[in-house]
Amino acid sequence: EPEVTQTPSHQVTQMGQEVILRCVPISNHLYFYWYRQILGQKVEFLVSFYNNEISEKSEIFDDQFSVERPDGSNFTLKIRSTKLEDSAMYFCASSSGGYYGYTFGSGTRLTVV
Amino acid sequence: GQQLNQSPQSMFIQEGEDVSMNCTSSSIFNTWLWYKQDPGEGPVLLIALYKAGELTSNGRLTAQFGITRKDSFLNISASIPSDVGIYFCATNTGNQFYFGTGTSLTVIP
Repeated sequence: EPEVTQTPSHQVTQMGQEVILRCVPISNHLYFYWYRQILGQKVEFLVSFYNNEISEKSEIFDDQFSVERPDGSNFTLKIRSTKLEDSAMYFCASSSGGYYGYTFGSGTRLTVV
Repeated sequence: GQQLNQSPQSMFIQEGEDVSMNCTSSSIFNTWLWYKQDPGEGPVLLIALYKAGELTSNGRLTAQFGITRKDSFLNISASIPSDVGIYFCATNTGNQFYFGTGTSLTVIP
């Protein structure tokens, strides 16, 4: 069964450093998303991406965040200058446009120290 | 963002028991989704509901789209140990999905 693949599974970084979280969406999907889940809390929407541009973003997705689809297969989330409160699980998801095509990756656990 | 409140927050049940949980919102939605999240994994879609009053089953799981369109219910019959996890309701406006606060389920063998 097709999967959304995320790397790395765990990333530890120092406060103020830049991190790039990587995702390989399902190959025929057109919509891509990043979500965040702080430990013990609900999953929160960050951004959706379609046709090589951001289609929606939440208030969490400030100027520190950016997304890119550099090569037609990878979908990346960059955090420019990490803060302690950025520590969370970050989930990538992709969709063909229908709800049943909305598939999550296993997540990257980001720890900012 | 939209606030989806789930109850109960956590449940501890014996294997074989039935489970009920719900999700409420102050806003009206056209879609309700139920996801399960295992520890260290991403959410996995269980059931999708598209019409007020709709009742849909997926094996031992049954979900209903509330008549008011402000709530949804999930029932699990004859629970088994692998039902353990966090259950999230979700809905959407446009391409943005909103997740509920979650119900943590523990099944005691």
